[in-house]
Amino acid sequence: GAGVSQSPSNKVTEKGKDVELRCDPISGHTALYWYRQSLGQGLEFLIYFQGNSAPDKSGLPSDRFSAERTGGSVSTLTIQRTQQEDSAVYLCASYLDRVDSDTQYFGPGTRLTVL
Amino acid sequence: QKEVEQNSGPLSVPEGAIASLNCTYSDRVSQSFFWYRQYSGKSPELIMSIYSNGDKEDGRFTAQLNKASQYVSLLIRDSQPSDSATYLCAVPLFGNEKLTFGTGTRLTIIP
Repeated sequence: GAGVSQSPSNKVTEKGKDVELRCDPISGHTALYWYRQSLGQGLEFLIYFQGNSAPDKSGLPSDRFSAERTGGSVSTLTIQRTQQEDSAVYLCASYLDRVDSDTQYFGPGTRLTVL
Repeated sequence: QKEVEQNSGPLSVPEGAIASLNCTYSDRVSQSFFWYRQYSGKSPELIMSIYSNGDKEDGRFTAQLNKASQYVSLLIRDSQPSDSATYLCAVPLFGNEKLTFGTGTRLTIIP
């Protein structure tokens, strides 16, 4: 595909359940970011991948949050024992990480609602 | 002080006028600066990047950077109703790879 894709687009879950969010970056993009955006708020950085490793996971709010990336491509963000405050839009962005190309391209996001 | 600060607005501008959006940042040595536009319910899209002091023009958009004052702005000339959106300023701070985003300025163009 031409752009970043994310699935599911919407997820409604009950408090205490685990959820898994998926991001497919643009083919060949080495860097991948996860952000969270609560209603009416700015973007909150969660974690950054360079290839399959995560040099910066400082934004993960708690140990209920984890993420992995395999094959330098697809990434999954897992939230365990979801809480109502986890409700937000989760955005993924990828970029090529070259000197002449540092533009981040965003996916459409996954809207998570925890009841 | 927030690391990347923007006036949250809302900013209302008549159609055809110039909209001016401002952003200040806390890291004196940041080298790259980005403006993203986000329509309601949509994901952010990059509209301008700037790396050197001065002005950079792209169509109706002009980005202005003053590193000494740690200030970057976005001007939208001949504002159109389709420009109504939230505009996010983003800066990689303190040598980090990640972008730090401001909270965004909500712009409304009044027909």
